[in-house]
Amino acid sequence: GAGVSQSPSNKVTEKGKDVELRCDPISGHTALYWYRQSLGQGLEFLIYFQGNSAPDKSGLPSDRFSAERTGGSVSTLTIQRTQQEDSAVYLCASSLQGGALMNTEAFFGQGTRLTVV
Amino acid sequence: KNEVEQSPQNLTAQEGEFITINCSYSVGISALHWLQQHPGGGIVSLFMLSSGKKKHGRLIATINIQEKHSSLHITASHPRDSAVYICAVKGTSGSRLTFGEGTQLTVNP
Repeated sequence: GAGVSQSPSNKVTEKGKDVELRCDPISGHTALYWYRQSLGQGLEFLIYFQGNSAPDKSGLPSDRFSAERTGGSVSTLTIQRTQQEDSAVYLCASSLQGGALMNTEAFFGQGTRLTVV
Repeated sequence: KNEVEQSPQNLTAQEGEFITINCSYSVGISALHWLQQHPGGGIVSLFMLSSGKKKHGRLIATINIQEKHSSLHITASHPRDSAVYICAVKGTSGSRLTFGEGTQLTVNP
């Protein structure tokens, strides 16, 4: 597609349930990022994938959070046993290249608004 | 103290006014991004800077690496410019962006 696509756009789930959020990056983009924006808060880094390298998971807030990227393209962020504090907008971004020395523009998806009730 | 600080947090302007949003950071960076977030939540990348100045339409972004400071200017502001403007920096190691808390801009007709 022309841009970064995320699904679903909105998700309401009960506390304790697992959720999966999907990100389709721009075709050919090797770098993929997940960020989170809680209500009234700034954006928070979660995880970064670059090609076939091991992902940078240092931003994941707990072991209930995990993410994978299959075939270097689509990524899924999974939150297990959701808690109310997980309620946030989860944003995915991709860029042509990543890494400290690679400053290419990041393109963001529209985000998934997760509400845990 | 946050690594990235923006000012002001909120800004209200009249249509046509010249607007400046400031971003200061405390770490070494390899690039600085200005992002725009509309009420629906979508984020658009406006600029990526590592030095000097960039201009796109009515938007101008400048960065002073020595002073660790960047500004985003909007000339001839319009109500459709109303959005949250976010400054984000990329460090010299790793790939993550560190974000400021954003500036809520409201331009009244």
